[in-house]
Amino acid sequence: KNEVEQSPQNLTAQEGEFITINCSYSVGISALHWLQQHPGGGIVSLFMLSSGKKKHGRLIATINIQEKHSSLHITASHPRDSAVYICAVIKGTGNQFYFGTGTSLTVIP
Amino acid sequence: DGGITQSPKYLFRKEGQNVTLSCEQNLNHDAMYWYRQDPGQGLRLIYYSQIVNDFQKGDIAEGYSVSREKKESFPLTVTSAQKNPTAFYLCASRSLGGNEQYFGPGTRLTVT
Repeated sequence: KNEVEQSPQNLTAQEGEFITINCSYSVGISALHWLQQHPGGGIVSLFMLSSGKKKHGRLIATINIQEKHSSLHITASHPRDSAVYICAVIKGTGNQFYFGTGTSLTVIP
Repeated sequence: DGGITQSPKYLFRKEGQNVTLSCEQNLNHDAMYWYRQDPGQGLRLIYYSQIVNDFQKGDIAEGYSVSREKKESFPLTVTSAQKNPTAFYLCASRSLGGNEQYFGPGTRLTVT
């Protein structure tokens, strides 16, 4: 069983829709990351969270430490948001990251 | 511009040949990582290094080797012992004081 589970695996939305991607993890963590991977393959970090909620533009990330769950929300989705979104956690004081399998998002104009 | 560079972007090799993937960073990060990405799977850790001249095996180190002779460089060699080397390889780095990881653009290796 993966230590990080994401849902859904694939998501298609109409432009303008509100989108939610979920991440559950089974280990104690020091931080959780949301990453974005575009078709070319490069990965960029969207958020790093250890508690609460963060907002950047149309993106919002929340984390519930007690429930070991995080969500990434995209408001007013746009075709340029089409990408794979990856949840990753770093355990306690460890040096390794553990990654979900990603959610492939397609936003249709 | 600070960042991580990987070269080449695409690499083609014949089965049985060793191949070395380059990763360089100018972020002054202590830790560097190599991951492999296959369709439908999360990134899997091959090797990581927290300091020059020291490195640790990750979950899928068999068939790979690394070196860390300089802080800014962490090359990965895919040896002929790696059974399924065709994949997308990502290098990353991190400051040991922080939790954020920075990724390179990746190298797509195809072995035929």
